Amino acid sequence: DTGVSQDPRHKITKRGQNVTFRCDPISEHNRLYWYRQTLGQGPEFLTYFQNEAQLEKSRLLSDRFSAERPKGSFSTLEIQRTEQGDSAMYLCASSLAGTDYGYTFGSGTRLTVV
Amino acid sequence: DAKTTQPTSMDCAEGRAANLPCNHSTISGNEYVYWYRQIHSQGPQYIIHGLKNNETNEMASLIITEDRKSSTLILPHATLRDTAVYYCIVRVVTHDYKLSFGAGTTVTVRA
Repeated sequence: DTGVSQDPRHKITKRGQNVTFRCDPISEHNRLYWYRQTLGQGPEFLTYFQNEAQLEKSRLLSDRFSAERPKGSFSTLEIQRTEQGDSAMYLCASSLAGTDYGYTFGSGTRLTVV
Repeated sequence: DAKTTQPTSMDCAEGRAANLPCNHSTISGNEYVYWYRQIHSQGPQYIIHGLKNNETNEMASLIITEDRKSSTLILPHATLRDTAVYYCIVRVVTHDYKLSFGAGTTVTVRA
């Protein structure tokens, strides 16, 4: 197992375009999380899944954001009609529910909206 | 709302021990203390966690005070690769599914 993989690592897009990021968690982990991190700040929670069910969405996740985790495996995060304020690092993490193990994070996707 | 307070930054000499403090004075009995670090341009990396006993692994040691209101992460022999932002987080394992990151401590290890 190579850990949590995120693709792409970097994305530059024009304002108003749609973008989609992918996260492949550790295979035996049933929980998957998305976080956003802006420069100089700690990561902020966006949403999480247990298996294929999306159980919570932060108020940070506006209507332009949607996340899916079909079949409880990989997940996608889509941002529609991107705005300059969406520029950030988008981090994915996974964990095994019911344990006290630490979460495993991916390396993130850095989005720049121009 | 972050439940922990950490110094904004600290320097450490290479090869020496780095002691990173964290205050969590409002911690409740079922909250664990977790430490993560984030090296520039990477995702956070789990380091260690504990409930009330001191813990040690291959990366670090965690010392939790008897009243559990504060803790110290110890990097025994800091290297340049330990330069990172270190986050102290408290979490109830059974139902806290999200980690609340504060600003962390920026640790710079100097040669």
